[in-house]
Amino acid sequence: SYDLTQPPSVSVSPGQTATITCSGDTLGSKYVSWYQQKPGQSPVLVIFLDTKRPSGIPERFSGSNSAITATLTISGTQALDEADYFCQAWDGRTYVFGTGTKLTVL
Amino acid sequence: HLQESGPGLLKPSETLSVTCIVSDDSSSHINYYWAWIRQSPGKGLEWIGSLYFGESPRYNPSLKSRVTLSEVTSKKQISLRMTSVTASDTGVYYCARHPSFGATGEGFDYWGQGTHVSVSS
Repeated sequence: SYDLTQPPSVSVSPGQTATITCSGDTLGSKYVSWYQQKPGQSPVLVIFLDTKRPSGIPERFSGSNSAITATLTISGTQALDEADYFCQAWDGRTYVFGTGTKLTVL
Repeated sequence: HLQESGPGLLKPSETLSVTCIVSDDSSSHINYYWAWIRQSPGKGLEWIGSLYFGESPRYNPSLKSRVTLSEVTSKKQISLRMTSVTASDTGVYYCARHPSFGATGEGFDYWGQGTHVSVSS
């Protein structure tokens, strides 16, 4: 099976840049999407096609993907960005989700 | 707007049936794929399968033997049926929309609120 690995937790100070990684074999050759999930809520798509933001997602959210690592970057992190973040890709047979990263804004 | 509904509590070996209703004022639902995705503490997010109105469903190979997706186009309804459930099927079951299938990378752009399913004797 295809695995996408994320760090369990990332901490950032308000106003700083948060970086969340997602690693998988030849991930750079696949498209990656990212989701934000706040407690008790459904996931929300924040990045698709590696780098694109859906309508309504703030510009401080950006994505990149290369080689074996995709990265979600949140610039000028705000308290309301505190949430779990998941990456997702298609492995040829199934949609695969990452293990998830809890972002804490201290 | 997507609204899931389900039984809440099941016993092992029973069959799970959950339904998703697509609420909009148009017929645009026939132009999208509709997925079932579940989330459990042990397995995280797991894609179960996807359905496009009028086409054969696509399934996660690891669940295919126990899962059936179906539709009622006139009711804008998508249903999931899972047989022989065990405690490992406990979780939140979401329906979600995606514009295309496979490697196209467009993601799941709308999600329902989810329905909690617990399997316990």
